[in-house]
Amino acid sequence: GAGVSQSPSNKVTEKGKDVELRCDPISGHTALYWYRQSLGQGLEFLIYFQGNSAPDKSGLPSDRFSAERTGGSVSTLTIQRTQQEDSAVYLCASLGQNNYGYTFGSGTRLTVV
Amino acid sequence: AQSVAQPEDQVNVAEGNPLTVKCTYSVSGNPYLFWYVQYPNRGLQFLLKYITGDNLVKGSYGFEAEFNKSQTSFHLKKPSALVSDSALYFCAVRPYGGSQGNLIFGKGTKLSVKP
Repeated sequence: GAGVSQSPSNKVTEKGKDVELRCDPISGHTALYWYRQSLGQGLEFLIYFQGNSAPDKSGLPSDRFSAERTGGSVSTLTIQRTQQEDSAVYLCASLGQNNYGYTFGSGTRLTVV
Repeated sequence: AQSVAQPEDQVNVAEGNPLTVKCTYSVSGNPYLFWYVQYPNRGLQFLLKYITGDNLVKGSYGFEAEFNKSQTSFHLKKPSALVSDSALYFCAVRPYGGSQGNLIFGKGTKLSVKP
């Protein structure tokens, strides 16, 4: 597509439930990133996929967080047993071959009640 | 540890006046530097980048930034601010050859331009 698409745009969930957030990157972009933006904070790196390489999971805050990227395109970020501190905006970005132009999606605003 | 600092949480400017949003970094090697802007309830939009070459880079919406290697700074500037420039601005660094292309972000600076 023309841009990075994220869904849902907003998600309210009860504490303890699992959620899935979806990112559809720009067609042909080989790298895909997930970031978390908490209120009053900067962007916190979560995970990074590059082609067929093993993902860099170094930013995942706990084992409740996981992500996959199927077929080198769409990615899903899963948060199990959500906690209130998981409430944030989750941003996805993809990166093209020139390795400079990160393009961000509009994000998913997650609220855990 | 590699980091990006935006020392001002908020910058207030009158419309028509010049604006500066500060950014300093601490990374190894020769970094790639970026500025992004975020409008309310929107994702991040790319403004400009420094990769190599001329230290003064020009970007979208009349913004520019100057790379200063000795001061490890990359301040964002605009000669004449507009009310529509009011938004959250993020400085980001990609360490050269660093961890698989990840960006390190500052905490953001809220720019408020008053008429």
